[in-house]
Amino acid sequence: GAGVSQTPSNKVTEKGKYVELRCDPISGHTALYWYRQSLGQGPEFLIYFQGTGAADDSGLPNDRFFAVRPEGSVSTLKIQRTERGDSAVYLCASSLTWEISNTPRREQFFGPGTRLTVL
Amino acid sequence: AQSVTQLDSQVPVFEEAPVELRCNYSSSVSVYLFWYVQYPNQGLQLLLKYLSGSTLVKGINGFEAEFNKSQTSFHLRKPSVHISDTAEYFCAVSLEYGNKLVFGAGTILRVKS
Repeated sequence: GAGVSQTPSNKVTEKGKYVELRCDPISGHTALYWYRQSLGQGPEFLIYFQGTGAADDSGLPNDRFFAVRPEGSVSTLKIQRTERGDSAVYLCASSLTWEISNTPRREQFFGPGTRLTVL
Repeated sequence: AQSVTQLDSQVPVFEEAPVELRCNYSSSVSVYLFWYVQYPNQGLQLLLKYLSGSTLVKGINGFEAEFNKSQTSFHLRKPSVHISDTAEYFCAVSLEYGNKLVFGAGTILRVKS
């Protein structure tokens, strides 16, 4: 079956512009996660959705970053007034459930990422 | 807060030799432990995970890891590596009742012929 897909695969923008990054989770997965991977580092958590609502957005670096998941499926990560320091690979992951009692079904499956370059 | 330390940024090894990639974590509560692999130009793929039970965990592609609670370690091992194992490997933890993964900085495994 189809895995997690992310579009675009590459995005080049200029400092100060607005960008949107899209994530299509695996069909039927109710939990969705965004991570950011800067060069030479491991992925860092940004935000996590349970269905349509953000359950934990503690990793968003500042108010220029915002994410939505209006119908509980596709999610969009939005970055306003981009800065050169925002350049990174943005990863999306989904899992079948967020239920604490069902740990094996909480395994996260990752997409290939969107490489964002801010010039 | 949790943190993960991968002690080696790069590990060169010859084909068919054994390898160990080291991972230490810090947490004041119980955690789940994971190893992910990232092949060039591909997404992260789960190699193995420790949730509970036996401390020796076997994963895909012949990899295994051992959870050592007293040493807060979760080292990854393979008895004989192949060229195709060349990739970057990430150790990660998540809170027992949380969801977000906290990753280490990664270890690049380079297998030479």
